[in-house]
Amino acid sequence: GESVGLHLPTLSVQEGDNSIINCAYSNSASDYFIWYKQESGKGPQFIIDIRSNMDKRQGQRVTVLLNKTVKHLSLQIAATQPGDSAVYFCAEGGGGYNKLIFGAGTRLAVHP
Amino acid sequence: SQTIHQWPATLVQPVGSPLSLECTVEGTSNPNLYWYRQAAGRGLQLLFYSVGIGQISSEVPQNLSASRPQDRQFILSSKKLLLSDSGFYLCAWSPPGGSAYEQYFGPGTRLTVT
Repeated sequence: GESVGLHLPTLSVQEGDNSIINCAYSNSASDYFIWYKQESGKGPQFIIDIRSNMDKRQGQRVTVLLNKTVKHLSLQIAATQPGDSAVYFCAEGGGGYNKLIFGAGTRLAVHP
Repeated sequence: SQTIHQWPATLVQPVGSPLSLECTVEGTSNPNLYWYRQAAGRGLQLLFYSVGIGQISSEVPQNLSASRPQDRQFILSSKKLLLSDSGFYLCAWSPPGGSAYEQYFGPGTRLTVT
């Protein structure tokens, strides 16, 4: 399949540790943010989203934090597992009807 | 539940040949549909989106075109492929009238132009 993440920044963590993936977004008018997970050769999979009227949202093992002051978004994964190894993309909603602007992505490598 | 299909999964085509990639969505009506391209190690570039049959918006000028002949069918085409058209092509859908940006992706088509 397609090799995703050949030239992307990589975050290496030990299994069981917590992971924090960061993203800087570009448009201060964006009002919706999403994190996607993409495994090699597959389409991106929705993880969690957050609206601009919130600064934190929690899911199962994942937390998204939004800092609108510095236009920063982060994804925290608790107790990282080998199955979490993938490329993670943040995306912001804005600039027009139903459009998403994607970040470049970060590759998460989980080591046993 | 909704599912999205893309085919073919992989494709190798010579420069100058035509292209047709198909995407279909099941389990929903009048979805918003999207075509993205992803170069190796890169993020996703939006190519086209559609809010209804026959309604196509193009995001970047290129030698690709899109059509939506049926409510849940989205086709990406080219009359003559270029080497630079190689990449991973992703189709996505989002619910009509729902979360404006919650998009769900298909499995993708890996296109190699030789």
